[in-house]
Amino acid sequence: NAGVTQTPKFRVLKTGQSMTLLCAQDMNHEYMYWYRQDPGMGLRLIHYSVGEGTTAKGEVPDGYNVSRLKKQNFLLGLESAAPSQTSVYFCASSSIDREQYFGPGTRLTVT
Amino acid sequence: GEDVEQSLFLSVREGDSSVINCTYTDSSSTYLYWYKQEPGAGLQLLTYIFSNMDMKQDQRLTVLLNKKDKHLSLRIADTQTGDSAIYFCAESTGGFKTIFGAGTRLFVKA
Repeated sequence: NAGVTQTPKFRVLKTGQSMTLLCAQDMNHEYMYWYRQDPGMGLRLIHYSVGEGTTAKGEVPDGYNVSRLKKQNFLLGLESAAPSQTSVYFCASSSIDREQYFGPGTRLTVT
Repeated sequence: GEDVEQSLFLSVREGDSSVINCTYTDSSSTYLYWYKQEPGAGLQLLTYIFSNMDMKQDQRLTVLLNKKDKHLSLRIADTQTGDSAIYFCAESTGGFKTIFGAGTRLFVKA
């Protein structure tokens, strides 16, 4: 039982490049989330999903897209990376009305 | 809108008690959580309390909830160097939405 896993762990992009972050969970959770963590700002919700095939915008969705084609996977895409997207990205999952379980994070640097 | 506030730093000596405080604004919060984040890792749930409780104790951890003042605290007894981490307070009204504080970085001096 791996819990929540994220791929990759680190990535460096040049401005304008694109990439996809993959999140996978093996706990059969309905809800999945993408957050970014910046110093002194806690966690900010980018997008979330309440079930397979559904996604919704969170607090800071601009510049990101997501897809949830399978219940266990939640993908976060950056179409044209900007330096402001340098951050640590965390994926999480939860059952309905329960605590969230987090992945180990992806550290992204955009130069 | 909803907000969760915490102080950013706390420093204690090994063996002392640590108290991390948090205030929140949403009076309809159902669950209140404490998460721990160690360096280079994701957040892990430490403990949680339902909004209809005043206190919860779990080994070295004690959570106190003052609903009137919307104040939550986490007390760690006999703090160890392994407790050095960032502690996040979070509130949820149920369903999918959870609001996190900015985190309190706990330093434990040997």
